[in-house]
Amino acid sequence: QVQLQESGPGLVRPSQTLSLTCLVSGDSINSPNVRYWGWIRQPAGKGLEWIGRVYASGGTIYSPSLKSRLTMSLDTSTNQVSLKLKSVTAPDTAIYFCAGNLGNSYDAFHIWGPGTVVTVSS
Amino acid sequence: QSALTQPRSVSGSPGQSVTITCTGTSDDVGGYNYVSWYQQHPGKAPKLLIYDVTKRPSGVPDRFSASKSGNTASLTISGLQAEDESDYFCCSYAGSYTVFGGGTKVTVL
Repeated sequence: QVQLQESGPGLVRPSQTLSLTCLVSGDSINSPNVRYWGWIRQPAGKGLEWIGRVYASGGTIYSPSLKSRLTMSLDTSTNQVSLKLKSVTAPDTAIYFCAGNLGNSYDAFHIWGPGTVVTVSS
Repeated sequence: QSALTQPRSVSGSPGQSVTITCTGTSDDVGGYNYVSWYQQHPGKAPKLLIYDVTKRPSGVPDRFSASKSGNTASLTISGLQAEDESDYFCCSYAGSYTVFGGGTKVTVL
């Protein structure tokens, strides 16, 4: 059974780079069973915002509103998915979820991590 | 890439049915059969309820059903139960991108 666990710094200073990782257990991150891994965020009390996806092949698609600041990648040596968001500001404060598309749908998130809280503050 | 439109809240009594709508455009909901629905209890991660407009993952009760007509998708919860009180989000493929709805709070009266 595939499980996801996000990790991050908790607190990030404005203008710095946010770095998050998502440890995948139960399957390889580039398994043929996986279509892509994605990141979604949710400000406190608000809705879900799609951030982007990284395919098992390593290709990426980013949200147009975040594209200029965002990098997502796979690390097959550690079986982790990573997210880097540059030049953060207060509106980047949110719970960040890692999620996976396990292949039987072109676009859906079959499995989610519990999320990690990120606060941008000086 | 605008968020899909959902009602802020819907409510119903136990045993009743409620329907949540999700309105987009021909660039997302209307253009692709890749609408998914998620249930999120407070403090928890979202859970997939429906994918590809109408399909239920194994383990999701058949009380949850969904459909799409034009640019609007709908999720129906039949035989409402107390445990169904939660937030529900729709999601659609939008030609490379993915877009979520703003979410609907379902209250069981």
